Amino acid sequence: DTEVTQTPKHLVMGMTNKKSLKCEQHMGHRAMYWYKQKAKKPPELMFVYSYEKLSINESVPSRFSPECPNSSLLNLHLHALQPEDSALYLCASSLGGELFFGEGSRLTVL
Amino acid sequence: GQNIDQPTEMTATEGAIVQINCTYQTSGFNGLFWYQQHAGEAPTFLSYNVLDGLEEKGRFSSFLSRSKGYSYLLLKELQMKDSASYLCAVRDKEAAGNKLTFGGGTRVLVKP
Repeated sequence: DTEVTQTPKHLVMGMTNKKSLKCEQHMGHRAMYWYKQKAKKPPELMFVYSYEKLSINESVPSRFSPECPNSSLLNLHLHALQPEDSALYLCASSLGGELFFGEGSRLTVL
Repeated sequence: GQNIDQPTEMTATEGAIVQINCTYQTSGFNGLFWYQQHAGEAPTFLSYNVLDGLEEKGRFSSFLSRSKGYSYLLLKELQMKDSASYLCAVRDKEAAGNKLTFGGGTRVLVKP
C-alpha cells in the first residue's frame, strides 16, 4: 500500500461549524504533514508530526488543531474558520526521503 | 530561513526539451526535490538530489550544484500530458521533522 488517503475530498462549512479532515497511511512512515494550498500557489507547510509528536507548527492560527492518534492517522480539526481559509488541504507522509501526498481535501468556508 | 525562486511560466512545443531552473538560499541544505502537480491534483514526486550532479530518470533529469544554490529539471521529448506545475522544494536539515519548503512552482504549457 503506497497511498495516503484523505477524507473528505470536498467539504463546505460555515464559519460557526466544527469539522475534521482525516488522513491515513499504512506505509510505516513516521513523519506526517499538513500543507495548505491556495489556487496557483505552492503548498505551504502548516504542521509536522514526527513519531506521533508535533515537531513543527508554522504559526498556524488556533482555529486549526492537528491531532495524531497513532502512527497511521493524522487529523486536522477545524473550528470557527474564515472564508480566507478556503483552500486545498494536503496531507503527506515520509520515511525521511520524499513526501507522499494524498489527493487533498478541498475546503470551502462560507 | 529559505528563499526558493523558479520561473512562473514556460511554454514549449510537443517533442521539444524544456529546462526549469530553481535557485535557493537556505540556512541548512539537506536535499532538493522536484514534484509535478496537475491542476486539482496532489503533487507527485519526480526526483531528489542531495549531491552535486545529474540524476536521470527516463525523460526527466535533475541537476544540482550546491555551491551555486542551483538546480534544474530537464524534461525531454515533451508530451501534452507534461503540461503541469513543477515544484522545486528544499529540505532544511536544521529543522526537525524533515521540513520541506516549496518554491512558487513553474507552470509548463506544452503546445502541439
